[in-house]
Amino acid sequence: AQSVTQLDSQVPVFEEAPVELRCNYSSSVSVYLFWYVQYPNQGLQLLLKYLSGSTLVKGINGFEAEFNKSQTSFHLRKPSVHISDTAEYFCAVRRNSGYSTLTFGKGTMLLVSP
Amino acid sequence: KAGVTQTPRYLIKTRGQQVTLSCSPISGHRSVSWYQQTPGQGLQFLFEYFSETQRNKGNFPGRFSGRQFSNSRSEMNVSTLELGDSALYLCASSLAWTGESEQYFGPGTRLTVT
Repeated sequence: AQSVTQLDSQVPVFEEAPVELRCNYSSSVSVYLFWYVQYPNQGLQLLLKYLSGSTLVKGINGFEAEFNKSQTSFHLRKPSVHISDTAEYFCAVRRNSGYSTLTFGKGTMLLVSP
Repeated sequence: KAGVTQTPRYLIKTRGQQVTLSCSPISGHRSVSWYQQTPGQGLQFLFEYFSETQRNKGNFPGRFSGRQFSNSRSEMNVSTLELGDSALYLCASSLAWTGESEQYFGPGTRLTVT
């Protein structure tokens, strides 16, 4: 089974500052990794995903994440945040062979203030 | 291409009643997954259907059930509602059930049980 730990439940940051949202996973097999964003009263939207290849993955809205297999981490970063980035962010993992479900972390609320 | 649609968007029910939620996947998508989202438990997997067959079920009581129709539309039913069933129920569709297949989420149905 896989599990995901998002180390911060809330991250406050000022507009135009950089931000990193941390995600660690646990799995006995190789996995695919995902970051989703959820704006208020909406469903989840995929930001980016790591399937294979380059460990630095670029996504939408200027976000990127780096897969670190030795540290079992997949931290999400953005060099300069906007007010509109205020949302909840979820890290998720899925086994990369055979059938498995998508397992989510508890989420990190990113609060961007002016 | 139209996204995943869920109806109704909001629902208020009384304890002991039953409820049916509907999900229409993106055209061509054959896999539909359901998740329950609550502040305390986060996102929890309910079940996944592919080509009208339930492929997997999460750790929920038998009061939670679902089905998928030949046009890939899916419904989930919760019988004998309890206060703890109050949650946002999210539906996600994907082309296939394999790990790299991206899941597209609907806006959710907000169920309140009084």
